[in-house]
Order: sequence, then C-alpha cells, then structure tokens
Amino acid sequence: ETGVTQTPRHLVMGMTNKKSLKCEQHLGHNAMYWYKQSAKKPLELMFVYNFKEQTENNSVPSRFSPECPNSSHLFLHLHTLQPEDSALYLCASSQEKGDTQYFGPGTRLTVL
Amino acid sequence: DAKTTQPPSMDCAEGRAANLPCNHSTISGNEYVYWYRQIHSQGPQYIIHGLKNNETNEMASLIITEDRKSSTLILPHATLRDTAVYYCIVSRESNFGNEKLTFGTGTRLTIIP
Repeated sequence: ETGVTQTPRHLVMGMTNKKSLKCEQHLGHNAMYWYKQSAKKPLELMFVYNFKEQTENNSVPSRFSPECPNSSHLFLHLHTLQPEDSALYLCASSQEKGDTQYFGPGTRLTVL
Repeated sequence: DAKTTQPPSMDCAEGRAANLPCNHSTISGNEYVYWYRQIHSQGPQYIIHGLKNNETNEMASLIITEDRKSSTLILPHATLRDTAVYYCIVSRESNFGNEKLTFGTGTRLTIIP
C-alpha cells in the first residue's frame, strides 16, 4: 500500500463511451500526476497538477480530460477513445512537484 | 533531464546480492539519481535516490561514482519478490521546477530460485 488508490482497477469501454478514472491519495501531498503505460513502452507523463493547478499537459489529446478538485483527488475523464488508448493508466503523487513520487496500482483500460 | 543507460535484463540467484548498473554520463550538478521498480502489472515503487553520496535504506543501497556519471543499485539479499523492472532516472529537485520523471525501458531483473 502506497497511500495512493485508483478505481476502477480494470475498465473495458467502447469508443463511444464516456468514463472516468479516479485517483485518491492519503499522503497529504500537493502534487498529482497521470501517466500512461502502453504495452512494451516506457511510462509516459500525461498531466501534472500542483496545488490543484495544472502545470503540465504533455501534448495529450483532448479526448483525455483531467480534473483535480482538491489536492487529494485526481480524475481522468475519457470520451471517444481509440483502441490504441488501451493501456495501464497510473496516478502518482508527491509532496511537492519534483519530489519523490508514489504510484497507485493503476487502471488497466481496454478500448474496444 | 540527463539520459540513462541500463542493461535490458539481468539474472540473479536468490539470496545473492543483485547489482544493477546505470550510466548517466550527461548528468548535471543539480540532478538526482532515482531508482524505481515495477513489478508486473503494478504501479512503480520508489526505492531510493541520491545526489552525490552513497545512500542506504531498508530496501537497497545506492552507490554513485565520484564523477557521478554512473551508479549501482544494490539489493543485498535478493528474493523472488524482487523480480521486477528496475528504472534508473535522473531528475532535478523541485526548486528547479522540473517535476518530470522520464522513465526509460529499465532493467528486467529476474531472481532465480
């Protein structure tokens, strides 16, 4: 247990569906991150939030929409995804941006 | 961030010390060396990090060469649960505003019974 939880752990969705991934950290951290890990590829940073403000969008397509209502929660809203978006989506948090990051278990997403 | 180079895979006998090398020849003075590992289908797990001095914690030891161009992660008594992909990453501290952890392909360490 790292103190970072993600739900759901597995998600299968069609290309026309809308779904959301949830991340919650119980560590009192101020920075949160979304990463994507496709099969046999390195982790790719998607978004960074620091004190609820988005500080980085790593050229992510608009079909991925993050939301950070407070420092403990981070969402990733998904709509009209493509099969190539199937991947493991990982959330992480750190005390401040740039500090050691602690990862959640990830959501395994399959887009049909 | 400086690029790192790691061997793609390594084997280690259970109970022996696992020594994982990492080259980071272009590291700059304000960049830390971080090590994470990822057990199959789980999120990455922080192991250890350091700047100049060698570091040790309950999981591992980190040996950084004097010129800082390479480092070695040591798992002193490897167990089967240490089988994972190990990532060596260099990253600046937060005061410099760089929050990126750029993960490469890492080293796939297999512990052999």
